[in-house]
Amino acid sequence: GAGVSQSPSNKVTEKGKDVELRCDPISGHTALYWYRQSLGQGLEFLIYFQGNSAPDKSGLPSDRFSAERTGGSVSTLTIQRTQQEDSAVYLCASSLLPRGVGAETQYFGPGTRLLVL
Amino acid sequence: GDSVTQMEGPVTLSEEAFLTINCTYTATGYPSLFWYVQYPGEGLQLLLKATKADDKGSNKGFEATYRKETTSFHLEKGSVQVSDSAVYFCALPSDRGSTLGRLYFGRGTQLTVWP
Repeated sequence: GAGVSQSPSNKVTEKGKDVELRCDPISGHTALYWYRQSLGQGLEFLIYFQGNSAPDKSGLPSDRFSAERTGGSVSTLTIQRTQQEDSAVYLCASSLLPRGVGAETQYFGPGTRLLVL
Repeated sequence: GDSVTQMEGPVTLSEEAFLTINCTYTATGYPSLFWYVQYPGEGLQLLLKATKADDKGSNKGFEATYRKETTSFHLEKGSVQVSDSAVYFCALPSDRGSTLGRLYFGRGTQLTVWP
């Protein structure tokens, strides 16, 4: 079946603009995660959605970052008033369950490469 | 808290050489352990995993054994190929209620294999 898809694959924006990044998880996966990969910071956790529970937003770096997940499927990560330090690859992942033997494996999308000029 | 410490690279090897990338972890319980690989220009792919102590994960000639006594999950391959050139990440899922679900990643190890 289809894997995790993300769009756009690349995004160039000007400092101060808002951007929206989209993630389509694997069908049937209840857990969805956003990570950020940047040269200086490695892979950082941003936010996690599990079913209808309140999301774990503890990894969001500032209040300019927000995310939602509609209908328990597609998720959008929004960055308002982008800054140059937001330039990174934003990765989305999904898993069947957040934990449990064999079921918590996270499958990653190809990422969105964001460049803020 | 939960964390992963991974051997930092870069690692440069000749084709057919033996590879070891060290990974140790700190966790309150006995989580599953993962190795992910990122080929140039691509996203993260699951390479292998182990779900309990003494389990050996294997894939594409790579192996890693979950060692509870040394809290390690070292990645090994007996004979590397040029196509194995990539960045390798060791990871474990959080087992704590407030952070349940997130993956903790090592810093990544860049492997370059020369023909």
